[in-house]
Amino acid sequence: QQPVQSPQAVILREGEDAVINCSSSKALYSVHWYRQKHGEAPVFLMILLKGGEQMRHEKISASFNEKKQQSSLYLTASQLSYSGTYFCGTAILTGGGNKLTFGTGTQLKVEL
Amino acid sequence: NAGVTQTPKFRILKIGQSMTLQCTQDMNHNYMYWYRQDPGMGLKLIYYSVGAGITDKGEVPNGYNVSRSTTEDFPLRLELAAPSQTSVYFCASSYGIGNYGYTFGSGTRLTVV
Repeated sequence: QQPVQSPQAVILREGEDAVINCSSSKALYSVHWYRQKHGEAPVFLMILLKGGEQMRHEKISASFNEKKQQSSLYLTASQLSYSGTYFCGTAILTGGGNKLTFGTGTQLKVEL
Repeated sequence: NAGVTQTPKFRILKIGQSMTLQCTQDMNHNYMYWYRQDPGMGLKLIYYSVGAGITDKGEVPNGYNVSRSTTEDFPLRLELAAPSQTSVYFCASSYGIGNYGYTFGSGTRLTVV
């Protein structure tokens, strides 16, 4: 089942902060976060593992709440380069080769 | 180090035609995946492979076939193309289960008319 992302879209002024949430109805093994710029391929940002620690990529960090099966992506002091669509991908622990189910994405636009 | 290479980048097919989307990776990744991306719908898994000779269906496999004869290559075959297969197709690979993200190819934009 597809994870639910919120918000669907957000507009920020440069330097502002934002939080993107990803929720699943299934027990998760891992949550991935990717950023995709228009016309390009998704790029891996970070992965949160069950029982693992909060992760960080530059000024972007993420957490994983196992009780709620929810992950949050925190964008701090946003830069113009942060603009794009952010996808979470969730994996359950099966023999299925770490296959991810992706959310529908959150469009982020950072303006001057 | 090229990563994941997809060809072609663009293709227009007529209804009923067939084609193969090529995907090759040079990172010695065991796991490979094919996703399609429709506007506003995220990425949907078509097929995946956990190693040479092993493939399995994802969420939306109908109308597609795959093979994995080598670790490097994972081609996607479209038989009898339909307008519903108009989409952007991404191939991805990963090292395995655990703390490993996906590396995506640059995508193939396919239009069926």
